Amino acid sequence: GQQVMQIPQYQHVQEGEDFTTYCNSSTTLSNIQWYKQRPGGHPVFLIQLVKSGEVKKQKRLTFQFGEAKKNSSLHITATQTTDVGTYFCAGARTSGSRLTFGEGTQLTVNP
Amino acid sequence: DTEVTQTPKHLVMGMTNKKSLKCEQHMGHRAMYWYKQKAKKPPELMFVYSYEKLSINESVPSRFSPECPNSSLLNLHLHALQPEDSALYLCASSQGLAGNEQFFGPGTRLTVL
Repeated sequence: GQQVMQIPQYQHVQEGEDFTTYCNSSTTLSNIQWYKQRPGGHPVFLIQLVKSGEVKKQKRLTFQFGEAKKNSSLHITATQTTDVGTYFCAGARTSGSRLTFGEGTQLTVNP
Repeated sequence: DTEVTQTPKHLVMGMTNKKSLKCEQHMGHRAMYWYKQKAKKPPELMFVYSYEKLSINESVPSRFSPECPNSSLLNLHLHALQPEDSALYLCASSQGLAGNEQFFGPGTRLTVL
């Protein structure tokens, strides 16, 4: 079955440092979504990438979808304490198929 | 209204109890989902409803029984659960199944004694 691997599992940074999480799928994806889950909270949608090589930015967050549509990354510039949480990627093999979530990267930001 | 609501927030039940989890959305979404999430793990898909019909059942044990009474409501009936079923149960909705963003509810924290 489809597998989505995500690394690292944990990342501790000092406030102001950059952070990157990587997502790799065993199969080509139709699209990939990113979610953020704060401690004690629920997943909140951040973005969806659909096109090969796509790059999207949201303020300090940069999302990339690989050329082969099998990998993706989320980069946060100059982390803030509000960035704390677990970041999940979730891929769909075909449009309309179930999302397969990666294991998540838990980000801790030390002030 | 861009919210998915879930009740109750917390539930403690014995292994012989019958209880139900409820989920509601008023965004006109036609796809609704139940996920189970264990601590420090990703959400694990249980069921998907599309246009009020069950479209995906991820081989979930029959002690979990979903129901979609109408396009805004989704229930999860629980019976004879095991302690290992203790988890956060998340409901989500999306406009359709075609790769749309999913809106998650706050979840029900279930403890089975």
